[in-house]
Amino acid sequence: GAVVSQHPSRVICKSGTSVKIECRSLDFQATTMFWYRQFPKKSLMLMATSNEGSKATYEQGVEKDKFLINHASLTLSTLTVTSAHPEDSSFYICSAREMRGNNSPLHFGNGTRLTVT
Amino acid sequence: GESVGLHLPTLSVQEGDNSIINCAYSNSASDYFIWYKQESGKGPQFIIDIRSNMDKRQGQRVTVLLNKTVKHLSLQIAATQPGDSAVYFCAERAGNEKLTFGTGTRLTIIP
Repeated sequence: GAVVSQHPSRVICKSGTSVKIECRSLDFQATTMFWYRQFPKKSLMLMATSNEGSKATYEQGVEKDKFLINHASLTLSTLTVTSAHPEDSSFYICSAREMRGNNSPLHFGNGTRLTVT
Repeated sequence: GESVGLHLPTLSVQEGDNSIINCAYSNSASDYFIWYKQESGKGPQFIIDIRSNMDKRQGQRVTVLLNKTVKHLSLQIAATQPGDSAVYFCAERAGNEKLTFGTGTRLTIIP
């Protein structure tokens, strides 16, 4: 089955530093990847849609200069949390959809637990 | 606005019994639905999906039912096992729009 690998699984950083999270589709190509944020005991909130070879599309209320997204290839998207603050601490999850059409499921990575101290 | 929601936030089921998790949606344009399972500290795992031209689809121990008339989706898990304990999310999509997730139901299997 389709596998999405996300790295790192956990990261602790100091306030003011930047953190990069990688999302890779291991056995399929994905022109589109999605980045979600999840608070404890809450549902997934879509942050942005990452498009290969073009700019990401951000959801309302998500700061594009704070959450930098790069989709450099058909198998890799990165999310960089810049100048992190404690309120950025959260569970970040990426997903990718196989290129076989709209009605194909999203496959998710195992998430990255970010803690900003 | 359009939303996807779940009737029950928590559900406890005796091991071996069947469980049913329900989901209501309000976007009549939704034509694709998915159930995901999320274990603690992990990303959502695809369980089963269904298109709007179907009203039932079966997988291994799981069945999804879709009632478009009342905009209701359910996930049935047969002969539950301890490993079924997790949070279950329904998600829906209309055409090429983004996937919208429900609030989730925590299923606990009692040994």
